[in-house]
Amino acid sequence: QVQLHESGPGLVNPSGTLSLTCVVSGGSISSSKWWSWVRQPPGKGLEWIGEISQSGTTSYTPSLKSRVTVSVDKSQNQFSLKLTSVTAADTAVYYCASAGGGPLDSWGQGTLVTVSS
Amino acid sequence: QPVLTQSSSASASLGSSVKLTCTLSSGHSSYIIAWHQQQPGTAPRYLMKLEGSGSYNKGSGVPDRFSGSSSGADRYLTISNLQFEDEADYYCETWDSNTRVFGGGTKVTVL
Repeated sequence: QVQLHESGPGLVNPSGTLSLTCVVSGGSISSSKWWSWVRQPPGKGLEWIGEISQSGTTSYTPSLKSRVTVSVDKSQNQFSLKLTSVTAADTAVYYCASAGGGPLDSWGQGTLVTVSS
Repeated sequence: QPVLTQSSSASASLGSSVKLTCTLSSGHSSYIIAWHQQQPGTAPRYLMKLEGSGSYNKGSGVPDRFSGSSSGADRYLTISNLQFEDEADYYCETWDSNTRVFGGGTKVTVL
């Protein structure tokens, strides 16, 4: 199984853009997998945000679709999340994960992003 | 899109068994699901993929104490010989061509 590691700012200003990167190790991002982002607000459950396939096909959850972009950088073996116009409601632990055509079977350790001025 | 329903909490004594339920919404009763475990303060961990037939495939290193079964739209996770380290939140997940959905999670307490 691949290993995943998220990185990015832990604090974002309201109305700003949240940007996170997930580095993939132990495998190629060009493999037949889906690369996904999931978030978890403090004390709450898991929420799927969106994902991208190795061919570049993307899917997003409807409630965030207008603000989210997931992209892949094959040269760096990593994928990224951008979430625009953030508010306090976007404060959460953000996880990257991967799926080999079925369930999410590898998870990163997660990174807490707080939206606050 | 499918909806997954889980009870909010469950408890059982050390060494006993607990059976968690994840119910698929109407029209989605044939869907495959997955179970994930999230111990306090840690990332989720993939436990298994579970089909409507009751057939399941566990992830690497998942103890034999964890098993899955199905009945109609219900998908079950049974934890036998419950240990203190099994105290965690358990989430079910399903997916289709353009979406992925999680249940609300069940918090398991070991008494």
